[in-house]
Amino acid sequence: AQTIHQWPVAEIKAVGSPLSLGCTIKGKSSPNLYWYWQATGGTLQQLFYSITVGQVESVVQLNLSASRPKDDQFILSTEKLLLSHSGFYLCAWAQGALNTLYFGAGTRLSVL
Amino acid sequence: DAKTTQPDSMESTEGETVHLPCSHATISGNEYIYWYRQVPLQGPEYVTHGLQQNTTNSMAFLAIASDRKSSTLILPHVSLRDAAVYHCILRVQGGSAKLIFGEGTKLTVSS
Repeated sequence: AQTIHQWPVAEIKAVGSPLSLGCTIKGKSSPNLYWYWQATGGTLQQLFYSITVGQVESVVQLNLSASRPKDDQFILSTEKLLLSHSGFYLCAWAQGALNTLYFGAGTRLSVL
Repeated sequence: DAKTTQPDSMESTEGETVHLPCSHATISGNEYIYWYRQVPLQGPEYVTHGLQQNTTNSMAFLAIASDRKSSTLILPHVSLRDAAVYHCILRVQGGSAKLIFGEGTKLTVSS
């Protein structure tokens, strides 16, 4: 069975500090991968998606970047956190013609 | 992606069958109707999807109007675990297709 694992579960970071969030998919070959973000009390927004290793498309600019170094790994990062980066970050995978998205448990980020 | 309209909230009691409506008057022929649900601080959970025909699975029954301008997610015998925000979303196929979440319907289930 496929599993999606996000790390860390939660982070408290200082403004201006770097950030790296990770997502790993097991049990699926060449999945489509996605990063979503939800501000506290807000709606989910798609940030990035990746169809294949090494290729990432940006959907919303939030001074964040994403990379896909391996087939089963998706990384979200920034060198300098802003207060506005606080929120809930979700990774999702999809595959096949219908490409239904399945979400991970998420990472809660607080920037102080 | 076309827009959907859902009620802000609905209330129910355990054991009832709940009908969650969704209006999508400008749906395109290649757009699927997806339903997800989300509880606070958890990722959205896929519930079901459909194109034209009604669909059913272990979680819910999706009734799609013949003109596809509306749909209803039917949750039989709800329990407290079904309390969540339910999102009705239109989406085309393909890896680059966005899944755009709105406010959804907040379903409250009382015992």
